[in-house]
Amino acid sequence: DVKVTQSSRYLVKRTGEKVFLECVQDMDHENMFWYRQDPGLGLRLIYFSYDVKMKEKGDIPEGYSVSREKKERFSLILESASTNQTSMYLCASSSSTGSSYNEQFFGPGTRLTVL
Amino acid sequence: KQEVTQIPAALSVPEGENLVLNCSFTDSAIYNLQWFRQDPGKGLTSLLLIQSSQREQTSGRLNASLDKSSGRSTLYIAASQPGDSATYLCAVPNTGGFKTIFGAGTRLFVKA
Repeated sequence: DVKVTQSSRYLVKRTGEKVFLECVQDMDHENMFWYRQDPGLGLRLIYFSYDVKMKEKGDIPEGYSVSREKKERFSLILESASTNQTSMYLCASSSSTGSSYNEQFFGPGTRLTVL
Repeated sequence: KQEVTQIPAALSVPEGENLVLNCSFTDSAIYNLQWFRQDPGKGLTSLLLIQSSQREQTSGRLNASLDKSSGRSTLYIAASQPGDSATYLCAVPNTGGFKTIFGAGTRLFVKA
């Protein structure tokens, strides 16, 4: 079974703190994604990566950065957390090849609260 | 630009009923379509992936169909159970890119 894990289920941080969210997948997927999910706004793509050290901005990259130093790990960084970044953060991965091309597998999510 | 719409937004049915959830997309040039389930406060669980060359996929009590030409997919749930209560989302790859376009979901409640 594909496994995508996220470092924390719940996280509480203070305004201005630097926040790291970690995501690890064990299926050797090329693509990894970070989304945030808010009531009434659905899933919004923050950043994605299609290879190690490669990254592309999604629809709402402002206030975030990412790092992909190893194929299995994709980190989301909030440089200076703000209250409007309180949200559910979801990581996903997918393959670029084979019959499961672009089939996305999600982690359990991290509920981040910024006070 | 690809857009994905799910109707209805919410649905409440008695246990045991068969039901259909609908998903429509504006650009028929899709590679595949994926159905997910999401429980409150949790991540998305992949239910079914239909390739563009397929008409339907089945997994247990779930059956998903795809009609590319009309830009529609349906998720059929047979003999619904209270444990099926969740939000169901459909998603398609954005044309020519890595992004995925998600519908807003249908919130299903199955009454015991």
